[in-house]
Amino acid sequence: QKEVEQNSGPLSVPEGAIASLNCTYSDRVSQSFFWYRQYSGKSPELIMSIYSNGDKEDGRFTAQLNKASQYVSLLIRDSQPSDSATYLCAVTNTGFQKLVFGTGTRLLVSP
Amino acid sequence: GAVVSQHPSWVICKSGTSVKIECRSLDFQATTMFWYRQFPKQSLMLMATSNEGSKATYEQGVEKDKFLINHASLTLSTLTVTSAHPEDSSFYICSARVGQRGTYEQYFGPGTRLTVT
Repeated sequence: QKEVEQNSGPLSVPEGAIASLNCTYSDRVSQSFFWYRQYSGKSPELIMSIYSNGDKEDGRFTAQLNKASQYVSLLIRDSQPSDSATYLCAVTNTGFQKLVFGTGTRLLVSP
Repeated sequence: GAVVSQHPSWVICKSGTSVKIECRSLDFQATTMFWYRQFPKQSLMLMATSNEGSKATYEQGVEKDKFLINHASLTLSTLTVTSAHPEDSSFYICSARVGQRGTYEQYFGPGTRLTVT
């Protein structure tokens, strides 16, 4: 079983729609959770971090964490073509020895 | 967010030579930095964890004598690819950890594209 699992996609949504990206993790002691966006040929960019159960909103982005279900998601409202990228889910423990990444979900937003 | 820079952004070198890549935290001090490698259309692969003032911790399968890491200050870590070969051609990305225990975040540099001819 992979430590962090994501659907590879592509996830295709029309412009203006809500994109929903999901991630599950296997290590119950995971404490910190992150979403990164990576455009082709570029390095990852941190867009959301979440540490406790519930929702965290930042602009058009909402991260949701459910530690009991070992599930974290990212919602992108009013999706734009510029949101088209690969979204990486990453988790770590309290000591932050290192991040464990999922393989990423490719999002395509069509005009 | 915190800013991490890398230099050079791209480099071409001949087989057998060594290449040094610098990673700097610009607006914060980073006691811990990380080095990754990414091949086209593949996932990020953690190579090593670099701690200021101590030896780097390498991931399994990464040759520490080939990929030399020096974290000499709180704002600079370097990766030297020694005796580079074409199979070392890749996208090398550093990152730095910032924040406090329990709420750390990790920010990536823009990456260095290495081509070995």
